[in-house]
Amino acid sequence: DIQMTQSPSSLSAFVGDRVTITCRASQSISNYLNWYQQKPGKAPKFLIYAASSLQVGVSSRFSGSGSGTDFTLTISSLQPEDFATYFCQQSYRIPWTFGQGTKVEIK
Amino acid sequence: EVQLVESGGGLVQPGRSLRLSCTGSGFTFGDYAMGWVRQAPGKGLEWVGFIRSKHTGGTTEYAASVKGRFTISRDDSKSIAYLQMSSLKTEDTAVYYCTRDDDHIVVMDTIYYYYYGMDVWGQGTTVTVS
Repeated sequence: DIQMTQSPSSLSAFVGDRVTITCRASQSISNYLNWYQQKPGKAPKFLIYAASSLQVGVSSRFSGSGSGTDFTLTISSLQPEDFATYFCQQSYRIPWTFGQGTKVEIK
Repeated sequence: EVQLVESGGGLVQPGRSLRLSCTGSGFTFGDYAMGWVRQAPGKGLEWVGFIRSKHTGGTTEYAASVKGRFTISRDDSKSIAYLQMSSLKTEDTAVYYCTRDDDHIVVMDTIYYYYYGMDVWGQGTTVTVS
């Protein structure tokens, strides 16, 4: 199975900060990488596919990049509604696997 | 509005069975693969499995942790996907989410690339094995 590792596991940031989350795959997955956002007590929300393509309706504050084994999710200017946990997920090979999550908290 | 609603969760003893249902609305249910993802208390997301649409074969895929114990099926006439869980273990305790799975297309140099993603999620149903 392909292992997905996110860093950091958590971070604190101010509203307006630029935030970057990293996701690393245990082997090359080309750009078959999705990102999800989950708020406490809620279902995850699909943000990005193909490493950098924004899902319809997702704010342009969010962007993704990377290919191969290293990927990033960037929030350009953190807003109050962005405080949540973010998960990466590879769709290169079954079984699909998720990173352990990165919790973004208010500083 | 596109929506998924899970039901059927509850408290069950180890070794017993339980069936979850996922009812879709606001989209043509039969056109999509349907999946299940679970989240143990305080933990991350774990993919459980999915069932392809009938027009792509209707076959299923499972995580190793549930293969042979869990079965995903679908009734497109009712817009329902099912997760039949048997031989339940305490480690199956989790919130179970139903997902609509789709291929998202990216065109590069006139070539179409398909990227699988879970683009709609239900609110989740809690299964406690104890």
